[in-house]
Amino acid sequence: NAGVTQTPKFQVLKTGQSMTLQCAQDMNHEYMSWYRQDPGMGLRLIHYSVGAGITDQGEVPNGYNVSRSTTEDFPLRLLSAAPSQTSVYFCASSYSIRATNEKLFFGSGTQLSVL
Amino acid sequence: SQKIEQNSEALNIQEGKTATLTCNYTNYSPAYLQWYRQDPGRGPVFLLLIRENEKEKRKERLKVTFDTTLKQSLFHITASQPADSATYLCALGRDYGGSQGNLIFGKGTKLSVKP
Repeated sequence: NAGVTQTPKFQVLKTGQSMTLQCAQDMNHEYMSWYRQDPGMGLRLIHYSVGAGITDQGEVPNGYNVSRSTTEDFPLRLLSAAPSQTSVYFCASSYSIRATNEKLFFGSGTQLSVL
Repeated sequence: SQKIEQNSEALNIQEGKTATLTCNYTNYSPAYLQWYRQDPGRGPVFLLLIRENEKEKRKERLKVTFDTTLKQSLFHITASQPADSATYLCALGRDYGGSQGNLIFGKGTKLSVKP
């Protein structure tokens, strides 16, 4: 049982490049989400999904796209990278969205630098 | 706007003492509150959850209190050890049909326990 797996661990991009951060969970969790963590800002929600085919925006969605074609995978796409997107990105999942106050399981993060 | 404050960015204590971390919130009525631990280079790990109708929760050396009148949660680690050194995050959530999209994180308090 690997839990939540994120790849890559580190990534450096040039301004304007696009890329996809991968997230996979093997716990059959309904809910998956992406956060970014910046110094002095705390974790901020980018996008989330309550099941395959269903996604919604969080607090800071601009510049990011997501899709959820399977229960297991929830990739985050940067369409045209900007220096303001330099951050550490975390994927998180929880078992059910119907059971309130479910705890989140986090991946180990992707450190992204945009030059 | 909603605001969550963790009382200090850093807290230094001596081994064996009780560490007390504070999470205050304004303009918000959470249904539950969660505490997470985050080690450098890792994703947050869930520790405890407390609901609005609960005054106190305990787990081994950990204790959480929730005072909705004061709009405050206290997180205690008794008999602290150097291995408890980490950043601790509080997160507040509402019961909107269970969507974790309503979970808001504080910036965290970095705890250092000196031997």
